[in-house]
Amino acid sequence: AQKVTQAQTEISVVEKEDVTLDCVYETRDTTYYLFWYKQPPSGELVFLIRRNSFDEQNEISGRYSWNFQKSTSSFNFTITASQVVDSAVYFCALRANFGNEKLTFGTGTRLTIIP
Amino acid sequence: DAGVIQSPRHEVTEMGQEVTLRCKPISGHDYLFWYRQTMMRGLELLIYFNNNVPIDDSGMPEDRFSAKMPNASFSTLKIQPSEPRDSAVYFCASSFGAPQETQYFGPGTRLLVL
Repeated sequence: AQKVTQAQTEISVVEKEDVTLDCVYETRDTTYYLFWYKQPPSGELVFLIRRNSFDEQNEISGRYSWNFQKSTSSFNFTITASQVVDSAVYFCALRANFGNEKLTFGTGTRLTIIP
Repeated sequence: DAGVIQSPRHEVTEMGQEVTLRCKPISGHDYLFWYRQTMMRGLELLIYFNNNVPIDDSGMPEDRFSAKMPNASFSTLKIQPSEPRDSAVYFCASSFGAPQETQYFGPGTRLLVL
C-alpha cells in the first residue's frame, strides 16, 4: 500500500517570508513518482512538479524549490519570498509500481500568505 | 493548447435527479481519470480509462455512478439517482503514455445536490 502524509494542515506566513511544506510518503516499491499540485482559491488543480525515485537532485524553479530525500522518504516544497498569489492548498502525491496508474494524494496543506 | 475541459462548471440539482458531468481530455492523451474531492475524504480516484477502455472502477462508490468514454475526446460521469452525499467537486484529468506521466486536471465541476 502507498500513503502520503502532509502533517501541516494549515500554515500562515507573512508575505516575503520563506515557507516549507512537508510531505512524507510510504511505499514498498523501488520505482515511484512524486508530484506536487497547487489548488488556488479558484479551485483548479495545477501541476507543479514530478520527480522519479531515481533522481534525488533538488529542483529549483524560480521561487519554488523541492528537496527529495529517499533516506527520510520526504519530498518537501519550499517557497522563497512568498507572495499573496502563493495562497492555496498544496497537495503532494505519489504513484508507485509501474502498471498502477493510481495517484495517491496527501490531505493537503492550506497556505495563507498574509500581506 | 487547450487543457482538460469540463462541463458544467457548476451544477445544482435536486435529490433523485440524474446528473451528467462531461470531460474533454487533452488531445493525444490516452489516459483519462475521474476524481471526486470532498472535505471529509479529500481527493478520491473514481475510475480511469486507457484508450477509452475502463481499467479500474473500484473507486466508484456505488451502482448509482457510471462512466463512459465513447471516444478519445469525450467522457461522461453519470449519477442516477443523485443524493445529497454526492455533493462534491468532480475532477477529470488526463495523461499521455506510461503510467508515471503527469496527470493534468480540468477545472472541476462543483456539484450540489439538494
